[in-house]
Amino acid sequence: QKEVEQNSGPLSVPEGAIASLNCTYSDRGSQSFFWYRQYSGKSPELIMFIYSNGDKEDGRFTAQLNKASQYVSLLIRDSQPSDSATYLCAAYLVNQAGTALIFGKGTTLSVSS
Amino acid sequence: NAGVTQTPKFQVLKTGQSMTLQCAQDMNHNSMYWYRQDPGMGLRLIYYSASEGTTDKGEVPNGYNVSRLNKREFSLRLESAAPSQTSVYFCASSSLTGGDSPLHFGNGTRLTVT
Repeated sequence: QKEVEQNSGPLSVPEGAIASLNCTYSDRGSQSFFWYRQYSGKSPELIMFIYSNGDKEDGRFTAQLNKASQYVSLLIRDSQPSDSATYLCAAYLVNQAGTALIFGKGTTLSVSS
Repeated sequence: NAGVTQTPKFQVLKTGQSMTLQCAQDMNHNSMYWYRQDPGMGLRLIYYSASEGTTDKGEVPNGYNVSRLNKREFSLRLESAAPSQTSVYFCASSSLTGGDSPLHFGNGTRLTVT
């Protein structure tokens, strides 16, 4: 079964450090990848997406994609306590029925002040 | 600026009861989705509708049915609820299925089946 895999954590970093979140995917045909943030009891919200090999930066966030290794990561620079949340990686995967966005199980990040 | 609206927000059912979760979006999106989220399991796709008039099974479709009523509305029905269906249900929409189209989520429905 085609999958998106994440380390569930928790990942703990001190305030001001860089948090590194990782994700692997099984479908070599996947073209686009998304990172969502979800606070406890809330719905997921989009942080950024990436579909080209290399890095994509948006403020304190950098997404990295390596299609040869089927690996996606999210770096959060200058981590803040408000970044404490669950981070979900997602990829469009093609199955027998069609194309749908499949999520990993999420990585819980805790930023201590 | 409603986005994706889900009703109800909370529901308690007894085993064997039926109910329909409603979802509507006002962004003129073509694609709509139903996910369930359980502790430690992430978001799992139940059903999706790539465009008006089509529906397809996702990762965990058993025990559910869906209806794409029109372009705006996509409902999820539990015909005979079971305790294993206790979960948080999220509806989402996107302009297209695939490419660089992100999903926009509703606020979720918290369902408990006793």
